[in-house]
Amino acid sequence: NAGVTQTPKFQVLKTGQSMTLQCAQDMNHNSMYWYRQDPGMGLRLIYYSASEGTTDKGEVPNGYNVSRLNKREFSLRLESAAPSQTSVYFCASSESSGGRREAFFGQGTRLTVV
Amino acid sequence: DQQVKQNSPSLSVQEGRISILNCDYTNSMFDYFLWYKKYPAEGPTFLISISSIKDKNEDGRFTVFLNKSAKHLSLHIVPSQPGDSAVYFCAAREGAQKLVFGQGTRLTINP
Repeated sequence: NAGVTQTPKFQVLKTGQSMTLQCAQDMNHNSMYWYRQDPGMGLRLIYYSASEGTTDKGEVPNGYNVSRLNKREFSLRLESAAPSQTSVYFCASSESSGGRREAFFGQGTRLTVV
Repeated sequence: DQQVKQNSPSLSVQEGRISILNCDYTNSMFDYFLWYKKYPAEGPTFLISISSIKDKNEDGRFTVFLNKSAKHLSLHIVPSQPGDSAVYFCAAREGAQKLVFGQGTRLTINP
């Protein structure tokens, strides 16, 4: 049971380059999320998707775009990478209702923009 | 606007003693609260949660307390063990809405 799978695990980009972070979950969850973790800032929500076909901005959406390709997959795109986007990125998924509403996280993508 | 706050960046506790991690929130509409544990180079893992209709939830060595009037929750770990050394995040959500996290507290358990 894979849970939440993120690719790649590590990436180095030059300023101005673009890339897409991939995320897939096999738990049949409706909700999916992208967070970034920076020292002293905790986990900050970039975008989330409450269900297939819907996406919404979180706390720090600038410089990012997302696609909820289907129920399983939620990708995060950096169109023109900037050094301020150096961070660790986590994808997560959860049920959107019912008793069990905890989110399950992937292993993270460590991105460095030089 | 930080809706979930963990005001202690770090905490050091002796092995075998109680660890108490605190969290405050501002949104009175939050109805579900969670604690996550994170080791370096890994994703956060779910630890324990509590619904707003309860004031306490216990799971083995871990207990979460919720004080709705003070908009405060805490995580108690008894007894603390070296493997508990990690960063702990509290989180909250309102219904089916997004999950909001605090800044995290780094817990160190000393032998």
